[in-house]
Amino acid sequence: GEDVEQSLFLSVREGDSSVINCTYTDSSSTYLYWYKQEPGAGLQLLTYIFSNMDMKQDQRLTVLLNKKDKHLSLRIADTQTGDSAIYFCAEVMNTGFQKLVFGTGTRLLVSP
Amino acid sequence: DAGVIQSPRHEVTEMGQEVTLRCKPISGHNSLFWYRQTMMRGLELLIYFNNNVPIDDSGMPEDRFSAKMPNASFSTLKIQPSEPRDSAVYFCASSARGSFEQYFGPGTRLTVT
Repeated sequence: GEDVEQSLFLSVREGDSSVINCTYTDSSSTYLYWYKQEPGAGLQLLTYIFSNMDMKQDQRLTVLLNKKDKHLSLRIADTQTGDSAIYFCAEVMNTGFQKLVFGTGTRLLVSP
Repeated sequence: DAGVIQSPRHEVTEMGQEVTLRCKPISGHNSLFWYRQTMMRGLELLIYFNNNVPIDDSGMPEDRFSAKMPNASFSTLKIQPSEPRDSAVYFCASSARGSFEQYFGPGTRLTVT
């Protein structure tokens, strides 16, 4: 399909790990991104992974990439209430210009 | 450094009125993007500019929508006439030459009654 897909909602308890999944469309995408949107704010770049990598770790964040299945995931360790937000994955479209295609977004709710 | 600046932050207008949203990208960035976000449709790319030139406007809903970028530091998105279904949050984003990372503004929440 043409859409970057994500599950709509994830609920976890504070201190647990969260895993947000994404299925993208273009196997030749060079970069894949994760953005975070807090209530009433714009999207903020969280992290990214280059397509020749399988995994990238950045403090509490771990990004896993399965190119064969076009599957991307974001794991947040020790999830905090401040992590409650909408998380978007995005892929680069190889159009020759700097265009990103965003997923549908996953709303993460962290309860105390 | 200032991020992407959008104005106004909130706009309430009546159906049929003209609405102009403004964006100042990050200085030195050469690509600018306009998005619309609604609960029903999620985040949609409306149009993007590269070096002030519109590259892809296929996401613009209809002729009532127009966007301009007269110089590297300013862009407008205009809706004329506005309709209630245009109610949404409109985001502007910019990116630097050679980079795919987009930096988003805080958005303009538009309500058309």
